[in-house]
Amino acid sequence: GAGVSQSPSNKVTEKGKDVELRCDPISGHTALYWYRQSLGQGLEFLIYFQGNSAPDKSGLPSDRFSAERTGGSVSTLTIQRTQQEDSAVYLCASSLKSGLAGGYEQYFGPGTRLTVT
Amino acid sequence: SQQGEEDPQALSIQEGENATMNCSYKTSINNLQWYRQNSGRGLVHLILIRSNEREKHSGRLRVTLDTSKKSSSLLITASRAADTASYFCATRAGSYQLTFGKGTKLSVIP
Repeated sequence: GAGVSQSPSNKVTEKGKDVELRCDPISGHTALYWYRQSLGQGLEFLIYFQGNSAPDKSGLPSDRFSAERTGGSVSTLTIQRTQQEDSAVYLCASSLKSGLAGGYEQYFGPGTRLTVT
Repeated sequence: SQQGEEDPQALSIQEGENATMNCSYKTSINNLQWYRQNSGRGLVHLILIRSNEREKHSGRLRVTLDTSKKSSSLLITASRAADTASYFCATRAGSYQLTFGKGTKLSVIP
């Protein structure tokens, strides 16, 4: 079946502009995650959605970042008034579910490479 | 915050040799997972080992976990050029979050 898809694959934007990044998780996956990866670095957790529960936004770096998930499926990550330090690859992942003891693997999309000039 | 720390940061080996990568972490975990990333894009899940397991195999991959030392190792046997990638360990510590290390960049020379 189809994997996690993300769009656009690349985005170049001017400093100060707003951008929207989209993630289509695997059908049936209730958990959805957004990560950010700067050049040569590991993944930085941004936000987590699980079903209809309130999202965990604890990883969002500033109030310029927001995300929503409509209908428990597609998610959009929005960055307002982009800054050069926002340049990174933004990765989305989904999993069947999460739980304290569960180890359900995360399936990653190909990412969106954001460049802020 | 950084939980897993991979070692070495970069590794270069000849095709056919074995590659060993290590991961250390700081707090108690439920499980530890290894992922591979090609060309800075999406990660692919390789293997998961639970905190009550000590060793796990999957094809040419062997993962060990030592909870007393808070460390794990990933062994790739009989490496191939196609194994060239960055490898990340990720720990899960009682919540849904996975905390990733910075990765080991493996280069397999044909």
